[in-house]
Amino acid sequence: DQQVKQNSPSLSVQEGRISILNCDYTNSMFDYFLWYKKYPAEGPTFLISISSIKDKNEDGRFTVFLNKSAKHLSLHIVPSQPGDSAVYFCAASGWPAGGGNKLTFGTGTQLKVEL
Amino acid sequence: DAEITQSPRHKITETGRQVTLACHQTWNHNNMFWYRQDLGHGLRLIHYSYGVQDTNKGEVSDGYSVSRSNTEDLPLTLESAASSQTSVYFCASSTRKGGEQYFGPGTRLTVT
Repeated sequence: DQQVKQNSPSLSVQEGRISILNCDYTNSMFDYFLWYKKYPAEGPTFLISISSIKDKNEDGRFTVFLNKSAKHLSLHIVPSQPGDSAVYFCAASGWPAGGGNKLTFGTGTQLKVEL
Repeated sequence: DAEITQSPRHKITETGRQVTLACHQTWNHNNMFWYRQDLGHGLRLIHYSYGVQDTNKGEVSDGYSVSRSNTEDLPLTLESAASSQTSVYFCASSTRKGGEQYFGPGTRLTVT
């Protein structure tokens, strides 16, 4: 039972354009959401997060949107750069309501930014 | 600088052998986690610990064990390695008050 779903295994975008990565979740107890970026042969690195009390969080070129009614979040990267090419994981947590900061991850989306 | 390290980075072992993967963090984080990454499954939680002497099972804990004798280390043991345990293993840590987890570089384990 996949509680966090990333339905697009891959995405290709031209440099300078917007990248939109999507994530859906099924567990209504999730109240904190995170995006991680992973390069080959490295560990995932934290990118941006959003609490369920917000619907948008922005950090430079990265913006995360949360639609609680649809149980959907998205990561927007504007403008996309070749260095953004990586696997992006969506993750969700029930903290602090439960789970003590235990994360449930999606299956990942491979983003390729082409010149 | 504080960091989280894993060793070995690569390991090849035979079916049935016991294997221990090391994880060491210098952030003094209470929470530590072990995940495995497999194609089509993302990152799945194996075991986690919220402090010394505390350990908990994750969603794919069968065949794995952990122990937490100090704050810095959470070794993962495969009691009797199986080919299905061929994977990339990541250790992570976090503070109790934060949501982000900080990951180590990973260990690629091959069971032949």
